[in-house]
Amino acid sequence: KNEVEQSPQNLTAQEGEFITINCSYSVGISALHWLQQHPGGGIVSLFMLSSGKKKHGRLIATINIQEKHSSLHITASHPRDSAVYICAVVGLDGGSQGNLIFGKGTKLSVKP
Amino acid sequence: KAGVTQTPRYLIKTRGQQVTLSCSPISGHRSVSWYQQTPGQGLQFLFEYFSETQRNKGNFPGRFSGRQFSNSRSEMNVSTLELGDSALYLCASSLSGGVRTGELFFGEGSRLTVL
Repeated sequence: KNEVEQSPQNLTAQEGEFITINCSYSVGISALHWLQQHPGGGIVSLFMLSSGKKKHGRLIATINIQEKHSSLHITASHPRDSAVYICAVVGLDGGSQGNLIFGKGTKLSVKP
Repeated sequence: KAGVTQTPRYLIKTRGQQVTLSCSPISGHRSVSWYQQTPGQGLQFLFEYFSETQRNKGNFPGRFSGRQFSNSRSEMNVSTLELGDSALYLCASSLSGGVRTGELFFGEGSRLTVL
């Protein structure tokens, strides 16, 4: 079982829809990153969270440390939001301390 | 302000050769981390450097190594290349917190093909 699980793997939405991408992890963490990767490979950092909630424009990220779960929400989705969204956690314990552990990503396609 | 620069962008090597990839961070950034991305395994953490010292290392064999210079530029080296090393290699820079506490700024990557 992967230490970081994302759901769904693929998501197709209509423009304007509210989107939620989930990330669950099984290890102790000190922080969690949400990343966006567009076709062609470029990766952009969206959020870095260690607790609570952060908002940037139409994007909202939340984390529940006790439940080992984070969500990324996109309000009023737009075709330009089409990308792969990747969750990555910073390990807290043992051999993975300070290392980034990645989920497999969620491929989002927003149709006009 | 210039972004993170990786060179070369594309390269082709044969099995058994070695390769060196370079990463120039954003000016003022002291942390550089490296990643391997393949279709099968996705993104995997290689290592992180801060002030010329390796701060963390992922689960990769000793053929993968890196270093950081006093100007924060970093190189990674892969020796005795195998077909499975074909991948996109990405680096990211961060002000000081690095992967633990800082925002990561990624380069465009170096795409390595091993024949």
